[in-house]
Amino acid sequence: QEQLVESGGRVVQPGGSLRLSCAASGFTFSDAGMHWVRQAPGKGLDWVTFIRYDGTDKYYADSVQGRFTVSRDNSKNTLFLQMKSLRLEDTAVYYCAKDQGEYFDSSGYSYNWFAPWGQGTLVTVSS
Amino acid sequence: SSELTQDPAVSVALGQTVRITCQGDSLRKYYATWYQQKPGQAPALVIYGKNNRPSGIPDRFSGSRSGDTASLTITGAQAEDEADYYCNSRETTGNFPWVFGGGTQLTVL
Repeated sequence: QEQLVESGGRVVQPGGSLRLSCAASGFTFSDAGMHWVRQAPGKGLDWVTFIRYDGTDKYYADSVQGRFTVSRDNSKNTLFLQMKSLRLEDTAVYYCAKDQGEYFDSSGYSYNWFAPWGQGTLVTVSS
Repeated sequence: SSELTQDPAVSVALGQTVRITCQGDSLRKYYATWYQQKPGQAPALVIYGKNNRPSGIPDRFSGSRSGDTASLTITGAQAEDEADYYCNSRETTGNFPWVFGGGTQLTVL
C-alpha cells in the first residue's frame, strides 16, 4: 500500500537550519505531486509547500517563503524540506502528503485531495 | 477571502446526526475535502469531491455544499467518531494555492 515516512525532526535553535525527509513507497513517486503540512502543538493544520511531480513548480505559504525550500529526488523516492532561519513559531509536527491530482465534475467544480499522509516528524525550535 | 472558517467545537449525542460546516469564498468553485484527526495520529481522508468516501470510511459520513459553505454530516455518530475534523480546499485568491480550515473538535456524548 502507499506509504510515507518522515524523518529528520529534532530540537534546533532559533536561526538554525534543518532538513526533513519523506520516504515514499507503494506508488510511483515520480508521478505524484507532494505536499508538506505542519501542525503546531495544540493547533490546526497549516499548509506549507507543494512540489510538482517533476520538481518544476513549487509553491510556498507566505510564512515560510524565502526560508524553506522543497525538493525531491525521484531516483530515491524521497521528498525533502530544507528549513533555514528557523523561528520559534516553526515548532510543529511536519507531515508529508501525496497530492492526488485535480479533478473536475460535470458541474464544473474542481476537487483535489491529499492521501496518504505520513506519521509526521516533530521539529522543535528552542533556545 | 483566503480563509476557510469552521466552528471550533461541536457536540453530538451518541447515535444522533451532526453537521460540521466550513465556509469560504473558494468553496464557490472548489469542493471541500474533509480530514479526520484523532489524538496523536496523522490526518486521515474522510470525504473528497462532491461526496466521495475512500475505502474504509463508513457510509455514515457524507459531504455536501451550498453556496460558499461545505458540510460534513455524520448520520448516527459513534464514539469512535470523536476527533478533530478539518476542511481543505484549493484557494482562489492570495499567494498560496491550498488552505485548511481551523478545525472542528467533535465530542460524542
